[in-house]
Amino acid sequence: TQTVSQSDAHVTVFEGDSVELRCNYSYGGSIYLSWYIQHHGRGLQFLLKYYSGNPVVQGVNGFEAEFSKSDSSFHLRKASVHWSDSAVYFCAVSRNNNNRIFFGDGTQLVVKP
Amino acid sequence: ETAVFQTPNYHVTQVGNEVSFNCKQTLGHDTMYWYKQDSKKLLKIMFSYNNKQLIVNETVPRRFSPQSSDKAHLNLRIKSVEPEDSAVYLCASSWTGGGDTQYFGPGTRLLVL
Repeated sequence: TQTVSQSDAHVTVFEGDSVELRCNYSYGGSIYLSWYIQHHGRGLQFLLKYYSGNPVVQGVNGFEAEFSKSDSSFHLRKASVHWSDSAVYFCAVSRNNNNRIFFGDGTQLVVKP
Repeated sequence: ETAVFQTPNYHVTQVGNEVSFNCKQTLGHDTMYWYKQDSKKLLKIMFSYNNKQLIVNETVPRRFSPQSSDKAHLNLRIKSVEPEDSAVYLCASSWTGGGDTQYFGPGTRLLVL
């Protein structure tokens, strides 16, 4: 069974701060790890994905995530947040042989001016 | 740019009524999904359709039924709504194959009185 754990339900930072949203997963096979963002009243939007290669992957709007096999983690980071980054962020894991995506519970990021 | 379209945006109804939600994707994808998102933003996969065939059917109540006329459309019918059906219903699409990015519609918010 695959699980995705996002330990922080809420994170609040100020504009210009750096932020790290944590994601840990449990699965023993070949997997894809992704992050999605959901702004209020909208659907989810893809941010970035990792499968293999360079463990640091770049996404849109200055987001990046780093895969760590030893920690079973795929944390999302941004060096300097903007108020428009306020949203719910979902970490997700899927296997390489089917479409099923397992989403974490989400982290609500609030960026204060 | 929106490529997964959902109607209606919002629907209010009484317990016991039947409702139907529509979803269309213009990305040429061959797999479509319905998710339920509750008030705490938790996502739960309900159905997955691949080339008009149901390939995932989670343990949802029997009053829910997906309906697909072709690979670009996947509707959701709820035969007799219950108060616990109040949620946001998100439609998504992707290519078949592991790890493929899912593209989401804006959601249909259902309120059952």
